Amino acid sequence: NAGVTQTPKFRVLKTGQSMTLLCAQDMNHEYMYWYRQDPGMGLRLIHYSVGEGTTAKGEVPDGYNVSRLKKQNFLLGLESAAPSQTSVYFCASSYSGTGRSYGYTFGSGTRLTVV
Amino acid sequence: KNQVEQSPQSLIILEGKNCTLQCNYTVSPFSNLRWYKQDTGRGPVSLTIMTFSENTKSNGRYTATLDADTKQSSLHITASQLSDSASYICVVRGSTLGRLYFGRGTQLTVWP
Repeated sequence: NAGVTQTPKFRVLKTGQSMTLLCAQDMNHEYMYWYRQDPGMGLRLIHYSVGEGTTAKGEVPDGYNVSRLKKQNFLLGLESAAPSQTSVYFCASSYSGTGRSYGYTFGSGTRLTVV
Repeated sequence: KNQVEQSPQSLIILEGKNCTLQCNYTVSPFSNLRWYKQDTGRGPVSLTIMTFSENTKSNGRYTATLDADTKQSSLHITASQLSDSASYICVVRGSTLGRLYFGRGTQLTVWP
């Protein structure tokens, strides 16, 4: 049981390049999320998914796209990277309930630098 | 506006000492409140989760309190250790669509 696995862990992109971040979870969670974390700011929600084949926008969706073709995977894509997308990206997953037992599990993060 | 405010922004204490971190929120409707510990270069890890009806929750040397009336929570760390050095994040889950609201965290440094 690996929890939430993110790949890659580090990446440097040139402005305008594209890339895909992969998130995989083995806990059979329905919900999955992509966050970005910038210095001095709380985590901000980019996109999320409440089930296979569904996605929705979060607080800061511009410049990103996502796909949830399989329940265990949630992909985050940058079509044309910009320096403003330099950040640490975290994936998380959870069950669909709202009770205290339905905690979030976070991946270890992907540090992306756009030059 | 739904917000989560944490204080202090940073804190330095000596090993073995106690400390208390604060979290004030305006999220409504409220589902639960969580405290996470985030080590440098790692993802957040859950310490405690409290619902509306819970006032106190402990996890080893960590004790969280919640006052849902005043919308305040605290995380008390007892007998601090060097490994407690991390960012502590308060997260409030709203009842509407289960959205999470994150505080900016308190950066705790424990010195030997």
